Amino acid sequence: GQNIDQPTEMTATEGAIVQINCTYQTSGFNGLFWYQQHAGEAPTFLSYSVLDGLEEKGRFSSFLSRSKGYSYLLLKELQMKDSASYLCAVREENYGQNFVFGPGTRLSVLP
Amino acid sequence: EADIYQTPRYLVIGTGKKITLECSQTMGHDKMYWYQQDPGMELHLIHYSYGVNSTEKGDLSSESTVSRIRTEHFPLTLESARPSHTSQYLCASSEGTSGQETQYFGPGTRLLVL
Repeated sequence: GQNIDQPTEMTATEGAIVQINCTYQTSGFNGLFWYQQHAGEAPTFLSYSVLDGLEEKGRFSSFLSRSKGYSYLLLKELQMKDSASYLCAVREENYGQNFVFGPGTRLSVLP
Repeated sequence: EADIYQTPRYLVIGTGKKITLECSQTMGHDKMYWYQQDPGMELHLIHYSYGVNSTEKGDLSSESTVSRIRTEHFPLTLESARPSHTSQYLCASSEGTSGQETQYFGPGTRLLVL
């Protein structure tokens, strides 16, 4: 079966760094995606990882360890507009190459 | 920017009514999806399609049906709406199912069944 875990809520201060963790158990891993979803809006794509390691893209970085079933999203120089839910999703080979989404982590950035 | 549209954006309807939620994309994507998302909860896949004349059920049991007669159009129909159908419905599409081919989401339809 598939199982994806993320912390439910996190709070951080403007200008700080925050790390949002995601652990997963899948039977046919074919890539891990991070999405940002503002309240009442649709998810938007942030990052994709299929190989182990850290990828940096501006203020956002994503890390993947396939052997540990673990990923994190690192947000630097937090801004108020980063307040949103962050969704971890795994694409599953044994699930028609569909995405399994985690519950999302609601991040609140305080001034 | 993704070109995927959903109508209506908001719908309030009485129990027993038949409704169709529209989803269209202009990117020529083969694969399309419907998700259901309750507030603060995860997305659940309810239907997907690999292309024209292909429809599959997702992991969440749903009383809705879908059709894919044209590549760009993937409507979802509820024959008889019930209060338990109250939720947000998100349509998405992707070019394929490999590599960095992510999903692009529409703005969603918020459905309230009274």
